[in-house]
Amino acid sequence: AAGVIQSPRHLIKEKRETATLKCYPIPRHDTVYWYQQGPGQDPQFLISFYEKMQSDKGSIPDRFSAQQFSDYHSELNMSSLELGDSALYFCASSPNPTSTSYEQYFGPGTRLTVT
Amino acid sequence: AQTVTQSQPEMSVQEAETVTLSCTYDTSESDYYLFWYKQPPSRQMILVIRQEAYKQQNATENRFSVNFQKAAKSFSLKISDSQLGDAAMYFCAYRSFSGAGSYQLTFGKGTKLSVIP
Repeated sequence: AAGVIQSPRHLIKEKRETATLKCYPIPRHDTVYWYQQGPGQDPQFLISFYEKMQSDKGSIPDRFSAQQFSDYHSELNMSSLELGDSALYFCASSPNPTSTSYEQYFGPGTRLTVT
Repeated sequence: AQTVTQSQPEMSVQEAETVTLSCTYDTSESDYYLFWYKQPPSRQMILVIRQEAYKQQNATENRFSVNFQKAAKSFSLKISDSQLGDAAMYFCAYRSFSGAGSYQLTFGKGTKLSVIP
């Protein structure tokens, strides 16, 4: 079965640089969530999109922005990177959240290292 | 806001034995979903089992089952016949039922499970 695809899988950036993470949801899933997992931490919700519109916002820094495109893939843009942004970034997808299928399926994550 | 608490940072179990991981949560909502996710060393987040709060019957998936006590706001995971591949970090997670809340997942801090051969 098709899974959530994230690219790149690993990314190394220097402080103050910009990074773009991509997420391709499971086919026919129209909702995308982004989570950040720091070392030894639980995943923290950043932002979500439903039908290409932002549906919810969590603890996402102003330096970060995201969008969902017409093909439902999503991109997380991170600017002015800081050492503390080093983390594993997950994308998850689900069908319409009001449907009976409500599970979120996670991609393999993008490991971002800021030096 | 909802909170999820996993009071056992680490646990261990002998291979083929049974282990129970604890999770409690706090919410003012009457309907919601609860999940257990497994995160092995590969760091992939794998859905293990889910429970709808409006269902009284406890969910079961092969060797994995839950004990859902809604009044006590408790949602424990039982792993039977533990296998070496079960060694992982296990996260308990909460999701609102309706759009009045948020569909985001709120995770506990996790329980690291070791399986002893």
